Amino acid sequence: DVVMTQSPLSLPVTLGQSASISCRSSQGLVYSNGNTYLNWFQQRPGQSPRRLIYRVSNRDSGVPDRFSGSGSGTDFTLKISRVEAEDVGVYYCMQATHSPWTFGLGTRLEIQ
Amino acid sequence: QVQLVESGGDSVEPGGSLRLSCTASGFTFSDYYMSWIRQAPGKGLEWLSYISGNSADTNYADSVKGRFTISRDNTKNSLFLQLNSLRAEDTAVYYCATTAREPQFWGQGTRVTVSS
Repeated sequence: DVVMTQSPLSLPVTLGQSASISCRSSQGLVYSNGNTYLNWFQQRPGQSPRRLIYRVSNRDSGVPDRFSGSGSGTDFTLKISRVEAEDVGVYYCMQATHSPWTFGLGTRLEIQ
Repeated sequence: QVQLVESGGDSVEPGGSLRLSCTASGFTFSDYYMSWIRQAPGKGLEWLSYISGNSADTNYADSVKGRFTISRDNTKNSLFLQLNSLRAEDTAVYYCATTAREPQFWGQGTRVTVSS
């Protein structure tokens, strides 16, 4: 199975500052059709997960442009600029190129 | 708007069975792959299974293969997950989600507890 390694696992951030989460896969994530199926999800406390980013860098409708995804191959990043209080929660990367789909362990973002 | 509502979660003894349901609205259900994903208490997310719109294509995680069965009824806009031979480690909140590779919309989840 593809292992998704997120870092850091805990991310204290000051309001208004930027935050960056790394996600590394144990195998390349380019599928045979040329797409890279790397998603990012946000899970706020007590809520269901919400997709933020799909195929590495495509932001979902309604997601603030403070959130951006980048990367290629085995190395991916979620960046949050100007962190707000509503960004508190756990962030997961997920690959869906190689079956079974696998998630990272999650990165807990907190306001310091 | 898209809405997914799971139901059927309960407390069961090891070895028991449950059938989870997910009722969808706000989109053409039969056009979409659907997935089940779970989250054990205080833990991360685990993909379990997906099914194509016409039920021809299904896939399972090794941890549930042979014990869980995904199905759907497009006439009722419903997705199902039959859980058999339940184990303590199956204790989790179970979510249904739209699509397979890029789960976009998620339900609120239904809780399954396996304990004697």
